[in-house]
Amino acid sequence: ELKVEQNPLFLSMQEGKNYTIYCNYSTTSDRLYWYRQDPGKSLESLFVLLSNGAVKQEGRLMASLDTKARLSTLHITAAVHDLSATYFCAVDISTSGTYKYIFGTGTRLKVLA
Amino acid sequence: NAGVTQTPKFQVLKTGQSMTLQCAQDMNHNSMYWYRQDPGMGLRLIYYSASEGTTDKGEVPNGYNVSRLNKREFSLRLESAAPSQTSVYFCASSEDGRPGLAGALRYNEQFFGPGTRLTVL
Repeated sequence: ELKVEQNPLFLSMQEGKNYTIYCNYSTTSDRLYWYRQDPGKSLESLFVLLSNGAVKQEGRLMASLDTKARLSTLHITAAVHDLSATYFCAVDISTSGTYKYIFGTGTRLKVLA
Repeated sequence: NAGVTQTPKFQVLKTGQSMTLQCAQDMNHNSMYWYRQDPGMGLRLIYYSASEGTTDKGEVPNGYNVSRLNKREFSLRLESAAPSQTSVYFCASSEDGRPGLAGALRYNEQFFGPGTRLTVL
């Protein structure tokens, strides 16, 4: 059974600090997605990582993918309050002729002023 | 472009009532999906439609039915609502969730609608 695990599940951090969210998955997948969800809102795509060693950066967020270790990281640099949200990773797997997403349980990030 | 739209935004049902959640996308995407989100459980796939005319079960299909009405629209029906179906429901679409004929990977980024908050009493 495919599992996608994120840690930590909850993260409270001070503004200006750095931190990393981890996403481990249990089966082969060459693509990994990161989404952001604000409270009461929908999911917004942050990054799509398509191959081993892929690294993408947007502002204070940087995501990387190691397909051999089945691990993706989302690194936060010098956190600001606006980054407070829940972050989900997802992998897609090919089954029955289509790709389907499996989501992690999410990491709820709270950045304190 | 409106992207992915869902109706209604909120709904309260009594146990045993039925209802249909509507979803439409204007991005000319082939694949559409229905998820439910419960606290602490991330998103779970209910049903999906890889292309117009096809539908398949996801992780948690029991108690639901779907219809891919056309390329734009994908509806989710609860025939006899139960309190366990209280959740937030998201519709999503992607350009094409089908693996390429030659085995080449397809870019399968999913775009989500605003969600429907459903309470079953």
